[in-house]
Amino acid sequence: AQKITQTQPGMFVQEKEAVTLDCTYDTSDPSYGLFWYKQPSSGEMIFLIYQGSYDQQNATEGRYSLNFQKARKSANLVISASQLGDSAMYFCAMRDPPAGFQKLVFGTGTRLLVSP
Amino acid sequence: DGGITQSPKYLFRKEGQNVTLSCEQNLNHDAMYWYRQDPGQGLRLIYYSQIVNDFQKGDIAEGYSVSREKKESFPLTVTSAQKNPTAFYLCASSSRLAPDREQFFGPGTRLTVL
Repeated sequence: AQKITQTQPGMFVQEKEAVTLDCTYDTSDPSYGLFWYKQPSSGEMIFLIYQGSYDQQNATEGRYSLNFQKARKSANLVISASQLGDSAMYFCAMRDPPAGFQKLVFGTGTRLLVSP
Repeated sequence: DGGITQSPKYLFRKEGQNVTLSCEQNLNHDAMYWYRQDPGQGLRLIYYSQIVNDFQKGDIAEGYSVSREKKESFPLTVTSAQKNPTAFYLCASSSRLAPDREQFFGPGTRLTVL
């Protein structure tokens, strides 16, 4: 079964600095997708970035980029130029094949605190 | 504006009572999902539905029931058989034709059993 591991319960970063949130995954399927979501204190889940297992390049979305290392089974999220509004929980998730649709398996999350 | 609505935002229930959480979407998505989140934990899948009148159990379906009579609606009933129902419940939807696209989430319902 697919599994997502996030080993950092909490991370601190100063405003304007970059931070990397770790995510490792385990799957035996060659086709999979990896997602990162942000959860502010209000509770809603906000999609940030997606990486497919066959994508040749690392995904980027504005200040978010995904450091995808397939051989190491890691998909770390890099947030550049941190802002105070980036303080939130961050979840890594994997699409669970072969459902053919989007059943997601989530990690336990990392709480990011951005200080002025 | 397209999106997902969940109601109520906060719900209090006495032990032994069934309670139904509402989830409505106007994104024209075929697939809908219910997740449970406990403090300090990730999301766990309760039930999911790919099309109207069809749904499947997720990883933690015991003590829950769902229906999918309309494409837009996917209500979740927390029954008295659920031993520890106090949690944050999130509903989501996605396009069945685009499995590599993200799931869209509602704002959640926080259920507390008194």
